[in-house]
Amino acid sequence: DAGVIQSPRHEVTEMGQEVTLRCKPISGHDYLFWYRQTMMRGLELLIYFNNNVPIDDSGMPEDRFSAKMPNASFSTLKIQPSEPRDSAVYFCASSLRENQPQHFGDGTRLSIL
Amino acid sequence: AQSVTQPDIHITVSEGASLELRCNYSYGATPYLFWYVQSPGQGLQLLLKYFSGDTLVQGIKGFEAEFKRSQSSFNLRKPSVHWSDAAEYFCAVGASGGSYIPTFGRGTSLIVHP
Repeated sequence: DAGVIQSPRHEVTEMGQEVTLRCKPISGHDYLFWYRQTMMRGLELLIYFNNNVPIDDSGMPEDRFSAKMPNASFSTLKIQPSEPRDSAVYFCASSLRENQPQHFGDGTRLSIL
Repeated sequence: AQSVTQPDIHITVSEGASLELRCNYSYGATPYLFWYVQSPGQGLQLLLKYFSGDTLVQGIKGFEAEFKRSQSSFNLRKPSVHWSDAAEYFCAVGASGGSYIPTFGRGTSLIVHP
């Protein structure tokens, strides 16, 4: 089992640029979650999908953030345009079912200059 | 909606000492409870979970947790801490009959002194 795979592991870019974070969930998992982790706010749930369909995006901070899941093995989180306050570690997680433990990727550390 | 509180931001213990990390939740229905650990530069890893049954749950790495409904708590314990246990620990609660999607606490940072 390869686990949840996120790319890139690190991203440094300038303010105003588009950022795309990628996630490959564990095969067979029906749920996919995107989180943001900062010192100030802790771990925040941004959005989650069930069978590739977005279920709850109430945690997405602004319209600059968007997420897609075109198929069961791939999801993206985009920020356009990026701002320095978006700097954080972004995690993707997947779970077999809604109430099952989530498996986390190693995260993408994003720095917006 | 369910909520979870980890009252301690930081905990410092000496290697070999016992450990208890506190977790309190707020929800009327039977909760699903989890403890995760996060080492620096890594994602969260499941330590243990409680769904039903025996209220004392054993997990990986020698950890255990006890569900106490009367106190709305799910504290994590380890009898003897190793230096490698230094990490961030997160409690999470999901609820049957409502949103199963777990809500995470703010985390407790464990510092281990030699």
